[in-house]
Amino acid sequence: GDSVTQMEGPVTLSEEAFLTINCTYTATGYPSLFWYVQYPGEGLQLLLKATKADDKGSNKGFEATYRKETTSFHLEKGSVQVSDSAVYFCALSIYNQGGKLIFGQGTELSVKP
Amino acid sequence: DAGVIQSPRHEVTEMGQEVTLRCKPISGHDYLFWYRQTMMRGLELLIYFNNNVPIDDSGMPEDRFSAKMPNASFSTLKIQPSEPRDSAVYFCASSLLGTTGNTIYFGEGSWLTVV
Repeated sequence: GDSVTQMEGPVTLSEEAFLTINCTYTATGYPSLFWYVQYPGEGLQLLLKATKADDKGSNKGFEATYRKETTSFHLEKGSVQVSDSAVYFCALSIYNQGGKLIFGQGTELSVKP
Repeated sequence: DAGVIQSPRHEVTEMGQEVTLRCKPISGHDYLFWYRQTMMRGLELLIYFNNNVPIDDSGMPEDRFSAKMPNASFSTLKIQPSEPRDSAVYFCASSLLGTTGNTIYFGEGSWLTVV
């Protein structure tokens, strides 16, 4: 079945370091891909998305490119801030099921000053 | 625009009690989802509705859980009787089919503790 696999956390970085969180997926069709972020004690917020192969989603300095050939959607940011500390979820959606999301397990990011 | 609204935000209840979680989706959205988040299992889809009709409830853990959507602007998730292992964050989310990427929007969650 469809699934999403994320790199294990927690990830600890110093401020201004480069961030990569790996995400790969398995899907029978052509899903849309998403990154959601969850700050401590809060709900899930959409960070970015890509709807077809080679699309790049970007927001708040974060980027991810939909790579069909490697079935990947890695999240990157060139210079992280303390305020980026959160849990990041990669997800795929299935169009004909209302966009039902299948999530990865989440990767906790901690940025130290 | 108002987002997905959930209530209560926090609930502490005793084992055996009935718990009702409420959700108001974004106006005009035709899909509604209930997810559960725990440390052990991550984010799990419990059930989803399309135009108020339950489409897939295969994620509902057992008969103690039930969900309804009596109209387009309201849904409930009920647990009766509640057990300590039901302690989790329950998220309601909604989407509109046909929108680019079918983005799902989440509420702030209902944080349930069963003691």
